[in-house]
Amino acid sequence: IQLTQSPSSLSASVGDRVTMTCRASQDIARYLAWYQQKAGKAPKLLISAASTLESGVPSRFSGSGSGTDFILTISSLQPEDLATYYCQQLKSYPPEFTFGPGTKVEIK
Amino acid sequence: QVHLQQWGAGLLKPSETLSLTCAVSGGSLSGHYWSWVRQPPGKGLEWIGEINSSGNTDYTPSLKSRLIISVDTSKDEFSLQLRSVTAADTAVYYCARGPGFRGGVVYGMDVWGQGTTVTVSS
Repeated sequence: IQLTQSPSSLSASVGDRVTMTCRASQDIARYLAWYQQKAGKAPKLLISAASTLESGVPSRFSGSGSGTDFILTISSLQPEDLATYYCQQLKSYPPEFTFGPGTKVEIK
Repeated sequence: QVHLQQWGAGLLKPSETLSLTCAVSGGSLSGHYWSWVRQPPGKGLEWIGEINSSGNTDYTPSLKSRLIISVDTSKDEFSLQLRSVTAADTAVYYCARGPGFRGGVVYGMDVWGQGTTVTVSS
């Protein structure tokens, strides 16, 4: 199962609403996770099952979608959201939990 | 709170074997799958494989012929061995907990090690 993400990068101002998409090459139901990776750091799990926010993740992050099309939204961009965001599918069997290529978020 | 501490050799020559270990503290190996993920310099994430406390493994097909992931439940550790490395295996390698099930939901990898930079160079 292949994942594509768009855009590959974006630049937005603090307070902006930001959306990014992840598209799967086949139906993965809601077996999708989103991660945030800051420069030089390990990834951090933000969302599982397409829309379930991990404990401690700010509520400005939200996920939606099912099947092949998914969206990660940051409702009000903050300076600390500077990072690359990856989606990962958890559907394939035998397991091969591929990641998307990432969306890099920059602050204007 | 579960914490993962990983270690292993950081500089290898082509054809050598990459060996990394990840120790689990603040929790147990039982009841979870444990994964390895790598990230080449300037590139994205690649899931390598996983293991559970019973030793059941799944590997990404592209590495399956060179890869062994093992577990030592007496030490709450799991390990990765990748043989016959080339420059293409140069990457930061991460250990992580998951994916798994929680509250009826399939969740992603929620605890990560600090990463180990592995460079393959002659």
